[in-house]
Amino acid sequence: AQSVAQPEDQVNVAEGNPLTVKCTYSVSGNPYLFWYVQYPNRGLQFLLKYITGDNLVKGSYGFEAEFNKSQTSFHLKKPSALVSDSALYFCAVRGRATDKLIFGTGTRLQVFP
Amino acid sequence: DTGVSQDPRHKITKRGQNVTFRCDPISEHNRLYWYRQTLGQGPEFLTYFQNEAQLEKSRLLSDRFSAERPKGSFSTLEIQRTEQGDSAMYLCASSPQSGGQETQYFGPGTRLLVL
Repeated sequence: AQSVAQPEDQVNVAEGNPLTVKCTYSVSGNPYLFWYVQYPNRGLQFLLKYITGDNLVKGSYGFEAEFNKSQTSFHLKKPSALVSDSALYFCAVRGRATDKLIFGTGTRLQVFP
Repeated sequence: DTGVSQDPRHKITKRGQNVTFRCDPISEHNRLYWYRQTLGQGPEFLTYFQNEAQLEKSRLLSDRFSAERPKGSFSTLEIQRTEQGDSAMYLCASSPQSGGQETQYFGPGTRLLVL
């Protein structure tokens, strides 16, 4: 069965510092991996995805994520956090035999000025 | 704005009433998905369509739930005899025909509160 784990309910970081939001996954075969961000009372906004190829994926708003097959991880990173990055972040996985996304429980990122 | 739209954005209803939500996908997208998100959780898959064909339904989709996409464009999700446990955010997403790697783009959601 496919699953996604986001081990941290909340991540706190000071503005200007690097941030990491963790995600590990379980899926049969090679996965498609996604990161979405959700602002209050809004839908999910796509940030980036890993399909194949380069393990470092760059996305919107300066975010990037690193696919690590041996550790089955897909951590979201940003070199310098902004207060406006404060939101709820979801990691999602999709196996190659299905079209539905399986989401983690989300990590709330709080960036302090 | 050419993104996914959902209507209404908010719905308050009494237990036992029927509700219907609408989703308009991005115009060139032929895949449409419904998810449900409860407080403190990630979205959970409910069902999806390719054009007008409903290709997969989750076990979460009880017989009180029905989804349609009659002309392969907009979709409706109906909940009959609502229960308090149906209170959630209902999210719609669309994507181009999938080779698997296509991104699903989400609408703003419909927040349902069942009293």
